[in-house]
Amino acid sequence: AQTVTQSQPEMSVQEAETVTLSCTYDTSESDYYLFWYKQPPSRQMILVIRQEAYKQQNATENRFSVNFQKAAKSFSLKISDSQLGDAAMYFCAYGVLIMNDMRFGAGTRLTVKP
Amino acid sequence: NAGVTQTPKFRVLKTGQSMTLLCAQDMNHEYMYWYRQDPGMGLRLIHYSVGEGTTAKGEVPDGYNVSRLKKQNFLLGLESAAPSQTSVYFCASSYLYRLQAGSYNEQFFGPGTRLTVL
Repeated sequence: AQTVTQSQPEMSVQEAETVTLSCTYDTSESDYYLFWYKQPPSRQMILVIRQEAYKQQNATENRFSVNFQKAAKSFSLKISDSQLGDAAMYFCAYGVLIMNDMRFGAGTRLTVKP
Repeated sequence: NAGVTQTPKFRVLKTGQSMTLLCAQDMNHEYMYWYRQDPGMGLRLIHYSVGEGTTAKGEVPDGYNVSRLKKQNFLLGLESAAPSQTSVYFCASSYLYRLQAGSYNEQFFGPGTRLTVL
């Protein structure tokens, strides 16, 4: 079965600095998708960024970017110029096209210090 | 557009009671999903549906049943609630976007339902 591992239960970053959250996954599929979701205290799951496995180029969304290493099965999230509003739980997730086997990591709690 | 809504937001049950959680989406999405989130864990897929009238089991289906009688609604039922079913339940819906470069499927989540079983 596919598994997703986030080895950092908690991370802390100073406002305006850069932080990287780690994620590794295990799969025998060649075509899949990887996601980073943000969950603030409101509990709402918010999609931060998506990466298609068939794309070699790393996805970016404004201050958020990923380092996708397909051979190493690694998918890290970099947050640049961290803001207080970035404080949340971050979940790494894996899925195939119809998401019928979606797997989430245990999450990393990010604290942003002013 | 309301997006994905869940009813109720909170519920407390006694062991053995039954209840139904309702998920509704107004985006005409084909796919719908039910997840549970437990402390220290990410979301785990309970059941999903790829279209009206169809349902299938996910990673943790035991103790739950689902129905998708209408495209916009996906119901999650607990026939005999157990304390192990205390959790936050999330519904999601998604649409398969087919592009020239490939396809992708983006899930939209509801706000969650906190269920406590005593």
